[in-house]
Amino acid sequence: GAVVSQHPSRVICKSGTSVKIECRSLDFQATTMFWYRQFPKQSLMLMATSNEGSKATYEQGVEKDKFLINHASLTLSTLTVTSAHPEDSSFYICSARAFGTQYFGPGTRLTVL
Amino acid sequence: SQQGEEDPQALSIQEGENATMNCSYKTSINNLQWYRQNSGRGLVHLILIRSNEREKHSGRLRVTLDTSKKSSSLLITASRAADTASYFCATDAYTGNQFYFGTGTSLTVIP
Repeated sequence: GAVVSQHPSRVICKSGTSVKIECRSLDFQATTMFWYRQFPKQSLMLMATSNEGSKATYEQGVEKDKFLINHASLTLSTLTVTSAHPEDSSFYICSARAFGTQYFGPGTRLTVL
Repeated sequence: SQQGEEDPQALSIQEGENATMNCSYKTSINNLQWYRQNSGRGLVHLILIRSNEREKHSGRLRVTLDTSKKSSSLLITASRAADTASYFCATDAYTGNQFYFGTGTSLTVIP
């Protein structure tokens, strides 16, 4: 099956800093990638749809200026959490669509102190 | 919200027993998938059932789909302690590319 990687797998940062998370499709091209957020003991919530070469589409309630998404190539999408605060601490998971379904990355755990 | 719902939210059973989880969703779908997630880890894909299928088997897993009721169930037979995890259904919408996850069922299998 298709492989999606994320980097970093874990990041700890101070409040007010910005953090960039990368999502890569390793053996296929993905025109569309998705970003999810998961708080402890909760389900995955779709944050935004990342489209190669165009602006991302954000779900209702997700601040686009807070969560910057750049899908610069067919194999890379990045999520930047700007001016991170403790309430942004979460597990962020990306996915890419291929072969009729979605493949998920291993996730990035963000802790904001 | 287009998120589906699952029940029960939590399930605790003895090893060897069967575990059944249910998922309800809101939109027309292309397919529905079930995932497992161990605590603090990524998702593991378990099984995909297409909208024109009613039942699917994979090892100890049995999934049913009722599109008229917009519901699905996951049955794990002869459970093992290693099956302890959270289980999520996810719907692949008929329109658009989005994937929406259910609220999840936390399964504990007691040895």
